[in-house]
Amino acid sequence: EVVLTQSPGTLSLSPGERATLSCRASQSLSSNYIAWYQQKPGQAPRLLIYGASSRATGIPDRFSGSGSGTDFTLTISRLEPEDFAVYYCQQYGRSPRTFGQGTKLEIK
Amino acid sequence: EVQLLESGGGLVQPGGSLRLSCAASGFTFNTYAMSWVRQAPGKGLEWVSSISATGGSTYYADSVRGRFTISRDNSENTLSLQMNSLRAEDTAVYYCAKGRVIVQSPYDVWGKGTTVTVSS
Repeated sequence: EVVLTQSPGTLSLSPGERATLSCRASQSLSSNYIAWYQQKPGQAPRLLIYGASSRATGIPDRFSGSGSGTDFTLTISRLEPEDFAVYYCQQYGRSPRTFGQGTKLEIK
Repeated sequence: EVQLLESGGGLVQPGGSLRLSCAASGFTFNTYAMSWVRQAPGKGLEWVSSISATGGSTYYADSVRGRFTISRDNSENTLSLQMNSLRAEDTAVYYCAKGRVIVQSPYDVWGKGTTVTVSS
């Protein structure tokens, strides 16, 4: 099973700042089958990034993904108030599909 | 508009059974892989099961294999999850999620979820 470890667990930032979230895989993901999701309280997750770096439909360009192999990053270039939420990475290349434990992005 | 609407959740005793359904609309259902993902109260996301577009291939998390069965009815645009021998640790919100043509795909549409509570 591919274990995904996200860091930090909680990130406290202010609107307008840059956020960098990390996701490390226990095995190399050669096809970069990594996705990032945003989840707000009481809502279903929303797909942000797939294939490590491709933005999903309708996702603002302040969200970007990067990385390869075992290390992946989600960057939010300039935080908007609506960006404060929990973010999960997921690998969908191997079974079982696995999610990271999440990073909570909170307002400082 | 692409929509997924789950139903069938509720309170069930340990050892009991429940069948979840997900009604899909707004896309060509029989073209896409589908999945179930759950989230225990206050916890993160856990993949449960996936099924290919034709229904010919199914995949399960170790935690549910042998107890849960995923299926789909492409004539009715419906995804199902039959859950047997339920345990307290199965308590969660269960989300239906749409993949892409292949099973190895991200989930680009999610339902709002249905809550399953396993308790005596």
